[in-house]
Amino acid sequence: GQNIDQPTEMTATEGAIVQINCTYQTSGFNGLFWYQQHAGEAPTFLSYNVLDGLEEKGRFSSFLSRSKGYSYLLLKELQMKDSASYLCAVDRDDKIIFGKGTRLHILP
Amino acid sequence: GAGVSQSPRYKVTKRGQDVALRCDPISGHVSLYWYRQALGQGPEFLTYFNYEAQQDKSGLPNDRFSAERPEGSISTLTIQRTEQRDSAMYRCASSLEEGTSGRGSYNEQFFGPGTRLTVL
Repeated sequence: GQNIDQPTEMTATEGAIVQINCTYQTSGFNGLFWYQQHAGEAPTFLSYNVLDGLEEKGRFSSFLSRSKGYSYLLLKELQMKDSASYLCAVDRDDKIIFGKGTRLHILP
Repeated sequence: GAGVSQSPRYKVTKRGQDVALRCDPISGHVSLYWYRQALGQGPEFLTYFNYEAQQDKSGLPNDRFSAERPEGSISTLTIQRTEQRDSAMYRCASSLEEGTSGRGSYNEQFFGPGTRLTVL
């Protein structure tokens, strides 16, 4: 089986930094995805981590620790358009399993 | 086309009717996935194909659900004898490489706009 946990909701202020955590327990782990999903829209790809460490891509960074079954998505210089759900997804040997997502609210 | 397309975008049907949902993946993409997404939840895996072969259908809720991809391109998800609990957003995604290839970002899934199914 598998288990993916991430907070249901988070709130942050425009211009600030926020870290969204994801923990997982699974077999056949290949890597971990982060997707962004605005309300009423399809998920869009943000990042993919295979090796331990931090991957930076503009204002967004993603971290993975395979030994701890832990990842986080770091969003810097938050903008109002970053208000969305952020989905953690485990890339397994047989399929990709999504977490329930974290709804991020940005306050002006 | 430039992206994944799905049709119809909205489907309202009466309980007991059969429905067929269509997915047209990005040209050349090997893998095609079907998900069901409830409001406020992440996508729930249903099934996926590499080319025309169905690799995993463990996520299909029961035998009323089936999927096919006969020529390795367009796929159809069929729900027979629909029930109210089948109401949801059904999303399709495709990826360039075979699912389980382990080639990281090549497994990036591009999602379609979804079909909103409502069973009355």
